[in-house]
Amino acid sequence: AQSVTQLGSHVSVSEGALVLLRCNYSSSVPPYLFWYVQYPNQGLQLLLKYTSAATLVKGINGFEAEFKKSETSFHLTKPSAHMSDAAEYFCAVSDRWSGGSNYKLTFGKGTLLTVNP
Amino acid sequence: EPEVTQTPSHQVTQMGQEVILRCVPISNHLYFYWYRQILGQKVEFLVSFYNNEISEKSEIFDDQFSVERPDGSNFTLKIRSTKLEDSAMYFCASSEFVEEQYFGPGTRLTVT
Repeated sequence: AQSVTQLGSHVSVSEGALVLLRCNYSSSVPPYLFWYVQYPNQGLQLLLKYTSAATLVKGINGFEAEFKKSETSFHLTKPSAHMSDAAEYFCAVSDRWSGGSNYKLTFGKGTLLTVNP
Repeated sequence: EPEVTQTPSHQVTQMGQEVILRCVPISNHLYFYWYRQILGQKVEFLVSFYNNEISEKSEIFDDQFSVERPDGSNFTLKIRSTKLEDSAMYFCASSEFVEEQYFGPGTRLTVT
C-alpha cells in the first residue's frame, strides 16, 4: 500500500525566506506525485505534479519540487516566501500502474505554512 | 476556466437522516472521485467512479454510502443514515487524464 509522510505539521518562515516542505513516499514502483495547496475555507488546488518526465517540476506561484527516487522524496520549495503563500500544503501519490480506471490519491497529513512579515 | 462545483457548501443534518451531496464535474472529464477530510486530519479517499460504475472504494465507504451519476452531468454522494463521525468536509474531484484531478470547493457536513 502506498503512503505519504510529510515531515513537520507546521512550518513558519519569514517573508522572503526559502520555503522547504518535505514529503516522502512509500511505493513499490515510482508513482505519480502531486502537491496541492488549500487556502482557508477553500478546496484543493493543484500546485504541481510529477509524472515521469523531468525530475525537477515547476508549478504555479513560483513553487517547484524535485523527485528523488533514491530518497523516495518529493520536497516542495520556493526561493522567496510571500505572505500570500500562507496555506496548508498536501503531498499526494497515486499508483501509475493501477491500470483500469482508478487513480485514487493518497494524501499526507498536510503542512501548515505560516509566513511572518 | 472550467471548474468542479459542489452544492451545498454547508449541510447541517441530524443523526440518522439521509443526505445527498452534489457535484458537477468538469464537462469532458471521465473519472470521478469523492474524498473527505475530517477536521484536523488528512484528506481520505472514499470512492472512484468511471464508466458509470464504482472502480474502487475504501473501507470507509460502507453500505451507508452510495454514489450516482444520474443525468450525465451531476455526480452525487448519498449517506443513508448519517452518524456523528460522518461530520467532515467532502470533496468531489474529476479528471480527464488519469494523472491530474481537479477538486471542488467542498461541502462541509455537520451531523448533530
